Amino acid sequence: DVKVTQSSRYLVKRTGEKVFLECVQDMDHENMFWYRQDPGLGLRLIYFSYDVKMKEKGDIPEGYSVSREKKERFSLILESASTNQTSMYLCASSLWPGGYEQYFGPGTRLTVT
Amino acid sequence: TQLLEQSPQFLSIQEGENLTVYCNSSSVFSSLQWYRQEPGEGPVLLVTVVTGGEVKKLKRLTFQFGDARKDSSLHITAAQPGDTGLYLCAGERLGNQGGKLIFGQGTELSVKP
Repeated sequence: DVKVTQSSRYLVKRTGEKVFLECVQDMDHENMFWYRQDPGLGLRLIYFSYDVKMKEKGDIPEGYSVSREKKERFSLILESASTNQTSMYLCASSLWPGGYEQYFGPGTRLTVT
Repeated sequence: TQLLEQSPQFLSIQEGENLTVYCNSSSVFSSLQWYRQEPGEGPVLLVTVVTGGEVKKLKRLTFQFGDARKDSSLHITAAQPGDTGLYLCAGERLGNQGGKLIFGQGTELSVKP
């Protein structure tokens, strides 16, 4: 059974803190993605990675960075958290180019106060 | 600019009713996927449509890809409370690299017993 896990389901941080969100997949997928989900806006791509140490900006990369040191792990970093980064963060992986289906983790609901 | 427009954004119906959710764009897509997301979980793939005019059925759910591959619909017959959730369409653009998908805003469906 395919699995994408995220390090925390709920997280509360203060403005200005550095925040790390971790994602691990056990499917040996090349591609991994970080999205944020806000009501009425759907899923918006923050960053994606198509190989170890390779990354590309998505549609809303400002205020975020990522790290992929190992194939199975993709981390999202908020360098200095702000209240407008309060959101649901979803990690996904896919078998592309072997398929476009994305497998999602359960999400991390981050609140920045 | 939202490349994939879903309508309606909210739908509240009684058990046994039929409903249709639409996903529209001015762009052509190589394929289109529908996901369902339950509260507290990540989206899960329901179906992928690839060929213009294609119709796929999944029990009481019928998915259609427009002839021009710019739009899609999801029809649910005799909705049940278990169908409650957020439905997301996601498209793969022509010439896409990296397995990136464009997501619609989502349709929040509530089926009351």
